[in-house]
Amino acid sequence: NAGVTQTPKFQVLKTGQSMTLQCAQDMNHNSMYWYRQDPGMGLRLIYYSASEGTTDKGEVPNGYNVSRLNKREFSLRLESAAPSQTSVYFCASSREGTSPAQHFGDGTRLSIL
Amino acid sequence: AQSVTQPDIHITVSEGASLELRCNYSYGATPYLFWYVQSPGQGLQLLLKYFSGDTLVQGIKGFEAEFKRSQSSFNLRKPSVHWSDAAEYFCAVAPFSGGYNKLIFGAGTRLAVHP
Repeated sequence: NAGVTQTPKFQVLKTGQSMTLQCAQDMNHNSMYWYRQDPGMGLRLIYYSASEGTTDKGEVPNGYNVSRLNKREFSLRLESAAPSQTSVYFCASSREGTSPAQHFGDGTRLSIL
Repeated sequence: AQSVTQPDIHITVSEGASLELRCNYSYGATPYLFWYVQSPGQGLQLLLKYFSGDTLVQGIKGFEAEFKRSQSSFNLRKPSVHWSDAAEYFCAVAPFSGGYNKLIFGAGTRLAVHP
């Protein structure tokens, strides 16, 4: 009963390095999301994918790219990491329609030095 | 501007005491409303949700929340807190303008429980 799985759980990068965060869900959900969580700011939406083949910007998309690889997988890429991107990143998924409750993974803790 | 406000950053209660966490939102129409809980080092777990109908909703772990349209509030309550309830609690709304699929989160309330 995995739900939403994120890899890796922890990562340390140097400024300018690139990295892809992986997310997979096994609940047959259509919609997937990437958030970042910073102290005192709750969670902020980076990108989301309402369905396979579509992606849209959220509140804080700058410095990130996403790929909806298939219905199960939604990856987040940092092309040139910056210290301001140090954060905890969460992936989530939801069904469409009248039950938009989102299910979250356990997060990726990313530090940029 | 659209927003979700959790006025209390930190709350400390004694085990067995009652709890109320506040949440206010500002949107033109009634959005979908949620409360999530996050234990240290973990992801967010859905406690309860309100879509329509009865304004008092029951959730997991003995929590309930009441939607008050006139006050644009969705406060979370528990009659008797357990030490295991110590965590961070997030109120979230899914506004209609986002197709109900975009969640807007409050900044969170961190709950400490004294024995």
